[in-house]
This record gives sequence, structure tokens and C-alpha cells, in this order.
Amino acid sequence: AQKVTQAQTEISVVEKEDVTLDCVYETRDTTYYLFWYKQPPSGELVFLIRRNSFDEQNEISGRYSWNFQKSTSSFNFTITASQVVDSAVYFCALSGVDTGRRALTFGSGTRLQVQP
Amino acid sequence: EAGVAQSPRYKIIEKRQSVAFWCNPISGHATLYWYQQILGQGPKLLIQFQNNGVVDDSQLPKDRFSAERLKGVDSTLKIQPAKLEDSAVYLCASSSQGTGQPQHFGDGTRLSIL
Repeated sequence: AQKVTQAQTEISVVEKEDVTLDCVYETRDTTYYLFWYKQPPSGELVFLIRRNSFDEQNEISGRYSWNFQKSTSSFNFTITASQVVDSAVYFCALSGVDTGRRALTFGSGTRLQVQP
Repeated sequence: EAGVAQSPRYKIIEKRQSVAFWCNPISGHATLYWYQQILGQGPKLLIQFQNNGVVDDSQLPKDRFSAERLKGVDSTLKIQPAKLEDSAVYLCASSSQGTGQPQHFGDGTRLSIL
């Protein structure tokens, strides 16, 4: 069975602080994909990034960066110089590769509040 | 490119009544998913379609929930009869065929059961 754990329920920071959202996963698959989604107050889930299990390179996109460590089954997300617009719930998710295993298994989410 | 369309946006019904949700995926997306998101939790899969065939409905409460995607495009999810614990946001997502394709979500339907 697949499982995603986001231990941080809620994080509050002041604007311009850096913040890291943790994600730990469990899977028996040797090939899998990891995702991060953002859910702002409006409710729509917005896709941020996808990583496959064979690519452990860290990725940076603007103020966002992701650290994938297969050895610790973690896929952490860092926002640099946070802004009020970053306030949202962030979900980490996992999927397999076979047709019947492509549905996403989500963590419980981390609510990020960025105070001005 | 138009996103995933869902309707209605909100629905309030009494327990034991029936309700239906509609989803139109992104054009050309072969795979369609319905997820249930209870307040404070991550979304959980209800059913996955590949074109008009069901791939995974193992977590769908089949005594009360049903879903169809007759022409391989839009889809309907129905609950009959509704229970109090069905209060949630119902999210539809679609993706193109292939492994690791990101799923794109609609705005969801927020269902409240009185």
C-alpha cells in the first residue's frame, strides 16, 4: 500500500522568511512519481511539480525548490522569501506507473500562513 | 486550453436524498478521476476511468455511489441515498494517457448534507 505523510499540519511565517514543507512517503513500487499541489482558499488544486523515482536531482523554479532524497523517502518543498500569496494548503502526492496505480495518494496537507 | 469543468459548484441536500455531479475533462484527456475531499484531509480516490472504462473503483461505496463516463468524455457521479458523512468536496481530475502525467483538477463541488 502507498502512504504519504505530511507531519506539519500548519506553519505560520512572516513574509520574506524561508519555509520548508516536509513530505515522507512509503511505497513498494520501484518506479513511482511524486507530486506537489497547492490548494489556495478558492479550493482548486494547482499542480506544482512532478518527480520520477529515478531522478534525484533537486529542482528550482523561481522561489520554489524541491529536495528529493530516495534514501530517506522524502520529497521536501522549500519556498524562499515567502509572500502572502503563498498562503495555501500544500499537498504532497504519490502515484505508481501501471494503469491501475496512477491515481494519486495524497498526504493530509500542510496549511501555510504567510503573515505580512 | 480550457480546464476541467465541474458543476454545480455547491449543493445542499437532506440526508437520504440523491445528488449528481458533472465533470467535463480537458479536451483529449483519456483518464478521468473522481476524488472525495473531506474537510481537513487530502483527496481520496473514488473512481478512475480510462476512456469509458472503469480502471479502479475499489474505494467507491457502491451501495450508494455510482459513476459513468459513457462516451469517454464527460462523467457523472451520483450519490443515492446521501448520508451525513458524504459531506465533502468532490473533485474531478483528468490527465493525458501515459505514466506520471500530472492530473489537472476542477474547482470541485462542495456538498453539504443536512
